[in-house]
Amino acid sequence: GAVVSQHPSRVICKSGTSVKIECRSLDFQATTMFWYRQFPKKSLMLMATSNEGSKATYEQGVEKDKFLINHASLTLSTLTVTSAHPEDSSFYICSAGRRDQPQHFGDGTRLSIL
Amino acid sequence: DAKTTQPTSMDCAEGRAANLPCNHSTISGNEYVYWYRQIHSQGPQYIIHGLKNNETNEMASLIITEDRKSSTLILPHATLRDTAVYYCIVHNDYKLSFGAGTTVTVRA
Repeated sequence: GAVVSQHPSRVICKSGTSVKIECRSLDFQATTMFWYRQFPKKSLMLMATSNEGSKATYEQGVEKDKFLINHASLTLSTLTVTSAHPEDSSFYICSAGRRDQPQHFGDGTRLSIL
Repeated sequence: DAKTTQPTSMDCAEGRAANLPCNHSTISGNEYVYWYRQIHSQGPQYIIHGLKNNETNEMASLIITEDRKSSTLILPHATLRDTAVYYCIVHNDYKLSFGAGTTVTVRA
């Protein structure tokens, strides 16, 4: 079946650092990918829709200058958390899929900012 | 997308069938019912989806009522590895909106 790969699986870094997370669709071309954030014991919250070749669409309340999304190819989207602070610590998850097909999710990136 | 309502939690006995209900009374005609699950510290996993007819695959069965206002996910023989949060989502486009889901605990 379709596979979505996310890297890295875990990041621990100092406050003020920028962190890049990659999301790859391994066996299909994804014109659209999605980025979610999940806090402990909470459900997934959609942050943004990543569109290949165009600007990402952010959900209300998500700062686009804080969470930079680049979708430069049909198989890769990246999320960069800029100048990360402890409150940005969370579980970040991406998904991809074709329209009218189930979304497939990466295994997530656990980000810890010290 | 239509809102869904699921029980907060449920326990199941290993080896028995697990029946997970979901209410979606405001579902519209072109919206599908999707089920995903999330095992602790992993990304969600697709289970099954349907529009009107009942569906079955290697993981589960999905029973949708005739009026489409509710559905039931059936795990035929629950195992300890089926312990997870199960999400019922109704949508007809790309974006998925996750509710709180049902925390299913399978006990030996």
